[in-house]
Amino acid sequence: DADVTQTPRNRITKTGKRIMLECSQTKGHDRMYWYRQDPGLGLRLIYYSFDVKDINKGEISDGYSVSRQAQAKFSLSLESAIPNQTALYFCATSDPGYYEQFFGPGTRLTVL
Amino acid sequence: KNQVEQSPQSLIILEGKNCTLQCNYTVSPFSNLRWYKQDTGRGPVSLTIMTFSENTKSNGRYTATLDADTKQSSLHITASQLSDSASYICVVSVYNQGGKLIFGQGTELSVKP
Repeated sequence: DADVTQTPRNRITKTGKRIMLECSQTKGHDRMYWYRQDPGLGLRLIYYSFDVKDINKGEISDGYSVSRQAQAKFSLSLESAIPNQTALYFCATSDPGYYEQFFGPGTRLTVL
Repeated sequence: KNQVEQSPQSLIILEGKNCTLQCNYTVSPFSNLRWYKQDTGRGPVSLTIMTFSENTKSNGRYTATLDADTKQSSLHITASQLSDSASYICVVSVYNQGGKLIFGQGTELSVKP
């Protein structure tokens, strides 16, 4: 969905490096989410934010941090990347009271 | 434990044929159930969303059913096309937990000419 953009789309990095993945949306939604997807597993929630001042941990937040810079921007950081953080990362947005989440195109991260 | 299980894990069908994908869930309290289509290298896109009171919903050639008593859902694809090749993900929302979603692992569908 072009309304939710993620940068970079692909990234290869080395163990121990700090990485930031960025998400921007033009949907005007208050709620934003970060997920990771691994082969054979469902998407798992890392962090979510219901507005600029609200940040919540998801089920797999260890090793990750986030920043909600504005309503439209939500960044995910890996402070010290490790190989098992190699995965596909998705940002999503939703509007309160509406059921649907809208996903970005994903960032493929490889940690060597 | 809240879980969503999908079957089969993968499926190959010929173009023009119909197919049905299954989803069983043990999510409580239940809010709604969604089916997403995820093309390779892209984010999931919503196909249907059903609440507790809805037992069928269609979106073109896609028809989803929900049996809230048995906690089962199915996605039926009619007259498949090559563009239907994708992963289909069943997702259940937990009631009153801020939009928390439980994702199934997906069914990988391949439509062959």
